[in-house]
Amino acid sequence: AQSVTQLDSHVSVSEGTPVLLRCNYSSSYSPSLFWYVQHPNKGLQLLLKYTSAATLVKGINGFEAEFKKSETSFHLTKPSAHMSDAAEYFCVVTPTSGTYKYIFGTGTRLKVLA
Amino acid sequence: GAVVSQHPSWVICKSGTSVKIECRSLDFQATTMFWYRQFPKQSLMLMATSNEGSKATYEQGVEKDKFLINHASLTLSTLTVTSAHPEDSSFYICSASAPGLAGGHEQYFGPGTRLTVT
Repeated sequence: AQSVTQLDSHVSVSEGTPVLLRCNYSSSYSPSLFWYVQHPNKGLQLLLKYTSAATLVKGINGFEAEFKKSETSFHLTKPSAHMSDAAEYFCVVTPTSGTYKYIFGTGTRLKVLA
Repeated sequence: GAVVSQHPSWVICKSGTSVKIECRSLDFQATTMFWYRQFPKQSLMLMATSNEGSKATYEQGVEKDKFLINHASLTLSTLTVTSAHPEDSSFYICSASAPGLAGGHEQYFGPGTRLTVT
């Protein structure tokens, strides 16, 4: 069985400071992992994905994430937050075979303070 | 590439009526489409998975007679909410995948449809 846990439901940071959004996963198989961002009343936008290649994954808008198998983690980071980063972020795990159903985390709402 | 559209983007309907939401893959052939529901400040909940030409597979607890899903072509899936009630008001999001894109692991999401039932 697969599951994903986003450890923080809300994160607040000041503009220009680093962002850390935490995600832990559980998977019986080698997983694919994704981070998506959702702005209010919008669909999901892919930030980055891990699919068993490089463990440090760089995404759009300065975000990156590191796949750590020993810690079963896939935390999302950004060196310097921007006001436009305020949104909901979802960590997703999916198996690399089978139905490829997405297992969503509960989401982390990022607030960026001026 | 891999663009998915939804129509309408928002819809208001009266209680007891039915409403249809379309999901289209614009630049690829989607062998599998997924329908999600999202309540305010919550995560996405998978409602059903549909493969082109086959009956949809519904998640546990989702009423298949209420949420009719049709995937008649490789570029179009529809979700019909029948006899809608206020509790069906929600944000509905579709996604699509194809074996030739990222090995089929990745889903490409539509922009969502806001349904309000009065």
